[in-house]
Amino acid sequence: ETGVTQTPRHLVMGMTNKKSLKCEQHLGHNAMYWYKQSAKKPLELMFVYSLEERVENNSVPSRFSPECPNSSHLFLHLHTLQPEDSALYLCASSQGTSGGGINEQFFGPGTRLTVL
Amino acid sequence: AQRVTQPEKLLSVFKGAPVELKCNYSYSGSPELFWYVQYSRQRLQLLLRHISRESIKGFTADLNKGETSFHLKKPFAQEEDSAMYYCALSGPPTSESASKIIFGSGTRLSIRP
Repeated sequence: ETGVTQTPRHLVMGMTNKKSLKCEQHLGHNAMYWYKQSAKKPLELMFVYSLEERVENNSVPSRFSPECPNSSHLFLHLHTLQPEDSALYLCASSQGTSGGGINEQFFGPGTRLTVL
Repeated sequence: AQRVTQPEKLLSVFKGAPVELKCNYSYSGSPELFWYVQYSRQRLQLLLRHISRESIKGFTADLNKGETSFHLKKPFAQEEDSAMYYCALSGPPTSESASKIIFGSGTRLSIRP
C-alpha cells in the first residue's frame, strides 16, 4: 500500500483500557506527526518526530504516549483516556529536513476514537 | 502568539461565482503559508503553498505581509470545489520551527448548482 496508512480506522475503548494507534508511511519521509481533530477544535498538532527523535510536544497529556521506532512507523499509545479525548486522530508525514517542501504534510485517513 | 484565523465556518456560493476564503495569521518572522483541502470521504491534502506561487485547480493565494493575510481565491466556482479548506502556517522550511505547524479552524465551502 502507498502513502500513509493508519490502523485501526475505528476504535472504541473504555477509560481503563490501554490501546495503541499505528501509523505507517511508505513515502520515504523523515518526519511524522500526530494530530487530533475534533468538532470543537481545529486540527491540533500533538507530536512531531524528525529522524525518529521527538522534536515537538504540544503540551499533550501524559495519557498519550508516542513511539517512533523507525522513520516509517509511528505509534500512539493510549491509557486511562477521558471521554473528551474522543476525536479523529490523524497521522501525517513529511519529507523532513532536506531540501524544499520539507514540511508539506501527507495525511493518513485517521482513526476515529470513541472513549466511553 | 502564533495563530491562524479563518473567520468563516461556512461559505456558500453559486456555481460560476467568485470564491474567496479568508485567512489571517499572526507570526513573528517569515512563515510559510499553506492551504489544505479535504473533499468528502477523502483525506486531508495540500492544495497549494505560498512559495510555489502557482495555481492549483484554478485556486490562487497571495501572501500579503502587510495585512498578514493569505486568502484563497477562485474566479469561477465549480461544484467539485465543495470541501473543507484549512489554512496553515509553519516556520521557514529550513528552520527549526518548520515542524511547528498551526492550522486554522477551517471553512466549509459549499457550491450551489
